[in-house]
Amino acid sequence: AQTVTQSQPEMSVQEAETVTLSCTYDTSESNYYLFWYKQPPSRQMILVIRQEAYKQQNATENRFSVNFQKAAKSFSLKISDSQLGDTAMYFCAFTSLTQGGSEKLVFGKGTKLTVNP
Amino acid sequence: DAGVTQSPTHLIKTRGQHVTLRCSPISGHKSVSWYQQVLGQGPQFIFQYYEKEERGRGNFPDRFSARQFPNYSSELNVNALLLGDSALYLCASSLLAGERGFQDWYQETQYFGPGTRLLVL
Repeated sequence: AQTVTQSQPEMSVQEAETVTLSCTYDTSESNYYLFWYKQPPSRQMILVIRQEAYKQQNATENRFSVNFQKAAKSFSLKISDSQLGDTAMYFCAFTSLTQGGSEKLVFGKGTKLTVNP
Repeated sequence: DAGVTQSPTHLIKTRGQHVTLRCSPISGHKSVSWYQQVLGQGPQFIFQYYEKEERGRGNFPDRFSARQFPNYSSELNVNALLLGDSALYLCASSLLAGERGFQDWYQETQYFGPGTRLLVL
């Protein structure tokens, strides 16, 4: 079974600084997708960024970028120029086709990020 | 465009009761998935429906059931509620459910609704 591990339960960063959230996963599949979702206190789960495993280039979305190391099964999220609105729970998630036919997302336990003024 | 909507936003039930949660996907989305998020944990997959058929089921008891309607909206039903069923229930929709393409399989992004907070007393 696939597993996703986020080893940092909580992190904090000063506004305008850069922070990196860690994620590792375990799978024997070669074709899969990885995601970072953000869940603010309002509870709405919002997609931050996605990465296709077959792409070697790391995904970027404005201030958000990932460091995808396929051999190491590592998928970290870097947030540059942190803003107060980035305060939220961040979840790393994995999906692959061969999971009984469904495209379920497997989530880590999350990292609580606090951006301080 | 409206995002994924869920109703109700909050619900309080007692043990042994039954509950129905509802989800309307983003317009044009045909796949709906349900997740349970216990406080302090990541979401756990319950069901996926695509084109009104069950595509996948997570490790949940038979007290949990779901269905998808012709308009692609979905209901999650939980019978004989237990205290441990207290959680945030999230619905997610996507355009397709895993299409075979150039890279053999393409996964559409799942977009989440605001969730239903269920409290079982």
